[in-house]
Amino acid sequence: DAGITQSPRHKVTETGTPVTLRCHQTENHRYMYWYRQDPGHGLRLIHYSYGVKDTDKGEVSDGYSVSRSKTEDFLLTLESATSSQTSVYFCAISATSGGLNEQFFGPGTRLTVL
Amino acid sequence: KNQVEQSPQSLIILEGKNCTLQCNYTVSPFSNLRWYKQDTGRGPVSLTIMTFSENTKSNGRYTATLDADTKQSSLHITASQLSDSASYICVVSVLSGGSYIPTFGRGTSLIVHP
Repeated sequence: DAGITQSPRHKVTETGTPVTLRCHQTENHRYMYWYRQDPGHGLRLIHYSYGVKDTDKGEVSDGYSVSRSKTEDFLLTLESATSSQTSVYFCAISATSGGLNEQFFGPGTRLTVL
Repeated sequence: KNQVEQSPQSLIILEGKNCTLQCNYTVSPFSNLRWYKQDTGRGPVSLTIMTFSENTKSNGRYTATLDADTKQSSLHITASQLSDSASYICVVSVLSGGSYIPTFGRGTSLIVHP
């Protein structure tokens, strides 16, 4: 699992409340990613980071912000959660394996916004 | 727009049979293509990864092929087992500004019946 953990694993919240999801890695990887996965859609990139304090937007970044103050932690924040943000969120890291770039995923966080 | 299309959307086979999953992509410029297996409630796990110059890659009973000219890939599963029941996701990446940016297919849901 490339030493990736996500917290919380499950969360139920109400519309309009702020929510922060945490991704933690133990192997000092430079690249980290946040995805959401919904029925009928492939995994969609929300934001990614290529170093401490270096982040960029993915294809579905509206309504989300991220921060990376330490190499090991990548935080995803929903400033004011909406029902459309009910989803399963996956964190991933990018690492070189056998000379090729590979992505390794965390276990996911199931978020329900009521 | 970069796209990855997978077929079939779902597939049911009997244990011990072979099957082939398809992936067509329009992603450009192509960097690499990966197949992932995602068990229900878990994060995706990499099966194979291929670069532009490779046209086949095996991982046990899983064999992926790539035709970069026609922008098609397939994943062949031999002698299926009940544990092969999962979603199989095709991912094509571009290298942009030093970062690998993936585009995910929606996946093929495979059910293996005894």
